[in-house]
Amino acid sequence: DVKVTQSSRYLVKRTGEKVFLECVQDMDHENMFWYRQDPGLGLRLIYFSYDVKMKEKGDIPEGYSVSREKKERFSLILESASTNQTSMYLCASRWTGEDTQYFGPGTRLTVL
Amino acid sequence: AQSVTQPDIHITVSEGASLELRCNYSYGATPYLFWYVQSPGQGLQLLLKYFSGDTLVQGIKGFEAEFKRSQSSFNLRKPSVHWSDAAEYFCAVGAYSGGGADGLTFGKGTHLIIQP
Repeated sequence: DVKVTQSSRYLVKRTGEKVFLECVQDMDHENMFWYRQDPGLGLRLIYFSYDVKMKEKGDIPEGYSVSREKKERFSLILESASTNQTSMYLCASRWTGEDTQYFGPGTRLTVL
Repeated sequence: AQSVTQPDIHITVSEGASLELRCNYSYGATPYLFWYVQSPGQGLQLLLKYFSGDTLVQGIKGFEAEFKRSQSSFNLRKPSVHWSDAAEYFCAVGAYSGGGADGLTFGKGTHLIIQP
């Protein structure tokens, strides 16, 4: 079974803090994604990566950056957290050549 | 740009009754379509997907969906719902570009409530 894990299920941070959300997959997937999920808005793509050290902006990249130093790990970085970044963050991965994305359990981030 | 519309924000169904969740998409080429389910506090689980071929696809947990190109729809159905089906359901459309990591575009979700 494909397994996508996220470092924290719940996280509380203060405005202005630098926040790291970690995602690890164990299936050697080339492609990894970060989404945020908000009530009434569904999931929106923040960033994705199709290879180590490669990244592409999604639909809402402002205020975020990413890092992919190893194939299995994809980090989402909030350089200076703000209250409007309070949300559920979901990581996903997939093989190149297949469109099914496998999702992690999510990290619910609250910025106070 | 691709988009997905799920017209129903909430749907309430009695246990044992049939279910249909609506999904309409907008996409310039042949779409890849998905239905995901999210139980409370959980990540997304793939129910089924459509790429090509038979327009009626079967998924897990007794769900099926029918692709109708003329109506740009991909509605999810289940003949008899169980209380455990209460969850948030997301329709999504994606594109496969032979190597590029295109993300999925999701609808806003339909919250399914099951009445005893």
